This record gives sequence, C-alpha cells and structure tokens, in this order.
Amino acid sequence: NAGVTQTPKFRILKIGQSMTLQCTQDMNHNYMYWYRQDPGMGLKLIYYSVGAGITDKGEVPNGYNVSRSTTEDFPLRLELAAPSQTSVYFCASRPGTSGSSYEQYFGPGTRLTVT
Amino acid sequence: QKEVEQDPGPLSVPEGAIVSLNCTYSNSAFQYFMWYRQYSRKGPELLMYTYSSGNKEDGRFTAQVDKSSKYISLFIRDSQPSDSATYLCAMSPSAAYSGAGSYQLTFGKGTKLSVIP
Repeated sequence: NAGVTQTPKFRILKIGQSMTLQCTQDMNHNYMYWYRQDPGMGLKLIYYSVGAGITDKGEVPNGYNVSRSTTEDFPLRLELAAPSQTSVYFCASRPGTSGSSYEQYFGPGTRLTVT
Repeated sequence: QKEVEQDPGPLSVPEGAIVSLNCTYSNSAFQYFMWYRQYSRKGPELLMYTYSSGNKEDGRFTAQVDKSSKYISLFIRDSQPSDSATYLCAMSPSAAYSGAGSYQLTFGKGTKLSVIP
C-alpha cells in the first residue's frame, strides 16, 4: 500500500491564481481530512469528509473548497490564491468507527507559496 | 485560553537524557490523547495513543494523562539523535460527544526537539 499520497510536492502560485491539491489514499478509509501547517502554529483543520459525497468545514475553511466523489480521492481547491494561503498542506485519512484508535495517517504534504 | 497549549521550544538535550514534553488543555470532553512525531519536511506519524487517564509505555516512550489537571506528558528515556523531531500532542472527544463522528483532532503547536550526540 502507498498509504496517503499528495501531489504536487511543491508549488508557487501568483496571487489570484487557482489550483487543486490532490490527495489519494489506498487504505479504503472512510474519513479524510485537510490540514494546513504554518510555522510554529501546529495543524489547523480546513475541511473533512466522513465518506464519499459528504464533506464539512473545519476550523479554517475560508478560501478553500473540497469534493469527495470517491472513497479514495479528496482534492482541495484554492480558487483565488492569497499570500495568507502560503503554508504546508497535509492530507490525512483514518478508518471508520471500528478499529483500535483515532489514528490519522498523514500524507507527505504539499508546500505552497503564494506571491 | 487556547484549547491546547504546548510549549514550542526549541528543546535541546544531550544524547542519553530523559526528555519531558507536555501539553495542557481546557476542553473537559477530550477523551483520546495522542502524540505525533514529525520529522523535518515529513508528515506527522502517530507515536503514542492513550484513552482517558493513566500511563502507557512503549519501549523508551511513556505517555501520561492526568485528566483532573488537564495535563498530558510524553517522556523519552535514553534519548537518541534519531529522536530529533517536532512532537505534536493531539486530542479528541469521544465519538458520542462529537456527534457525526468526525473524530476531529485538536493539535498543539508542537515542540521541536534536538538530541545532540
């Protein structure tokens, strides 16, 4: 299993441009999450999904959109990039209600710079 | 008051030292407590997981939860240079409390640890 994969690894955007951060997991997990991590600020939840077709906002959703058409994929869309969206973005997934823990499995991250 | 407080460090210790990392929290509904380790330019990975109060040991690592004080700790014995990383505490309420079962985690800011050979 590849686990959680994210593309691209790095990206530089100009202000006002749009892009989609891709996230795919091959563990058949129901729950998927998008976080951003700013230096010294921990992880902030942007959006999450409890299954295909179901998404909801997290703590910092403004400026972002998501969709979940399949169990495997959970893309994050930035419509009008702003410098405040410069960050490292992590996608994570976890199994459903069964299982031993609340462990979330993280991808390697996408480093985004908006200038 | 933030929901989860964690001293960001940085913390620098000599190899072989005992390391103590701590978080405090304010939400009494938190029941699940985790420590994630994050190496530079990598995603976080789960290190320790504890439900409710008590201690849990795994090799050189011990996690402690004191719900009465709303305080959790991670101890690393015989620290190694390979332990150099950022350690993030994370917490979640029970499934019943979180309603839809989103199992959202609330993270601390992370403590950057360097173990010097």
